[in-house]
Amino acid sequence: GAGVSQSPSNKVTEKGKDVELRCDPISGHTALYWYRQSLGQGLEFLIYFQGNSAPDKSGLPSDRFSAERTGGSVSTLTIQRTQQEDSAVYLCASSLLAGEETQYFGPGTRLLVL
Amino acid sequence: SQQGEEDPQALSIQEGENATMNCSYKTSINNLQWYRQNSGRGLVHLILIRSNEREKHSGRLRVTLDTSKKSSSLLITASRAADTASYFCATSGAGSYQLTFGKGTKLSVIP
Repeated sequence: GAGVSQSPSNKVTEKGKDVELRCDPISGHTALYWYRQSLGQGLEFLIYFQGNSAPDKSGLPSDRFSAERTGGSVSTLTIQRTQQEDSAVYLCASSLLAGEETQYFGPGTRLLVL
Repeated sequence: SQQGEEDPQALSIQEGENATMNCSYKTSINNLQWYRQNSGRGLVHLILIRSNEREKHSGRLRVTLDTSKKSSSLLITASRAADTASYFCATSGAGSYQLTFGKGTKLSVIP
């Protein structure tokens, strides 16, 4: 596609439910990144994929958060047993090669946990 | 934790004026980038400046980098209402693929 796409655009869920957020990177981009943007914490790095493997998971805030990438393309970020503090905009980015500095961002998924 | 700190946090100017935003960071970097965000959604890449560069231009944008002071500035000349957005600086260090963002400057350009 022309750019990074994310779905859903908005998600409202109840505390304790699981949610899945999807990211479709730019075709041919091997590196994929997840970030979170919240009012209190600003923009935070969560996880990075090179192909299907995740060399850097250092930003995942708890073991309720996990992510996978299949076929070197689409990635899913899963949050289990959601908490109100998980409410944020989740942004995905991709770059052609790992280490290429310019990351291209998707429009984000706005998650609200009630 | 945030690497960069932008100032001002908010800036309001008249259309046609220049807008200057500053960013400071704490650790050594490979490069520094500026992104724009409209309405709290996706980030748009504006410009990248490497640690061995001092100034870079792209259209109406001018970025400077002072590694001795660990600071950068973004100048938008002849601003337009469409420039209204939040602007973030982001740094990356040697061997690190993640971007570390500042908290952003919210720019309002009044027609």
